[in-house]
Amino acid sequence: AQSVTQLDSQVPVFEEAPVELRCNYSSSVSVYLFWYVQYPNQGLQLLLKYLSGSTLVESINGFEAEFNKSQTSFHLRKPSVHISDTAEYFCAVSEGTGRRALTFGSGTRLQVQP
Amino acid sequence: GAGVSQSPSNKVTEKGKDVELRCDPISGHTALYWYRQSLGQGLEFLIYFQGNSAPDKSGLPSDRFSAERTGGSVSTLTIQRTQQEDSAVYLCASSLVSQVGQPQHFGDGTRLSIL
Repeated sequence: AQSVTQLDSQVPVFEEAPVELRCNYSSSVSVYLFWYVQYPNQGLQLLLKYLSGSTLVESINGFEAEFNKSQTSFHLRKPSVHISDTAEYFCAVSEGTGRRALTFGSGTRLQVQP
Repeated sequence: GAGVSQSPSNKVTEKGKDVELRCDPISGHTALYWYRQSLGQGLEFLIYFQGNSAPDKSGLPSDRFSAERTGGSVSTLTIQRTQQEDSAVYLCASSLVSQVGQPQHFGDGTRLSIL
């Protein structure tokens, strides 16, 4: 069985500061990794994904995540955050074979302060 | 529409009543998922439909929960004899599965409150 751990339930940060949201996973098979963002009263939106190839993946709004197989991590980073980045962020995995459902972490609330 | 559509957006009902939640996936998406998001349990997988295959029901919490997908498109999630612990946001997602690792696209959810 696979599992996802997001150690930080809340991360407060000042605007224009860098941020890292941590995600660790465990699985006995190969996995695909995702970060989703959820704004208040909305569904989840895909931020970025790792399927294969380059271990560093980027989104269009400045976020990036690096897949580290040896540390089973997929941390999300942004060098300079904006007020509009305030949201809940979820790390998720799906197996390379078998069930396609996502297993989610418990989420990290990013609070960007002016 | 362009995205996954869910209705109603909010539902308040009394304990013991049955409820039906609807999901209209993105056109052409053959896979459809239901998840539940609650304060105590986070995001949990409920059920997965893929084309005409038998659904994966492994996430349904009890036999009060059931879902169907008619014509390979619209899906309804039914909760019978609702209990207060059923209060949550129910999220539907769809994806193309012709390629492994296809991301899931989520609707805005149905917020269910059991009085």
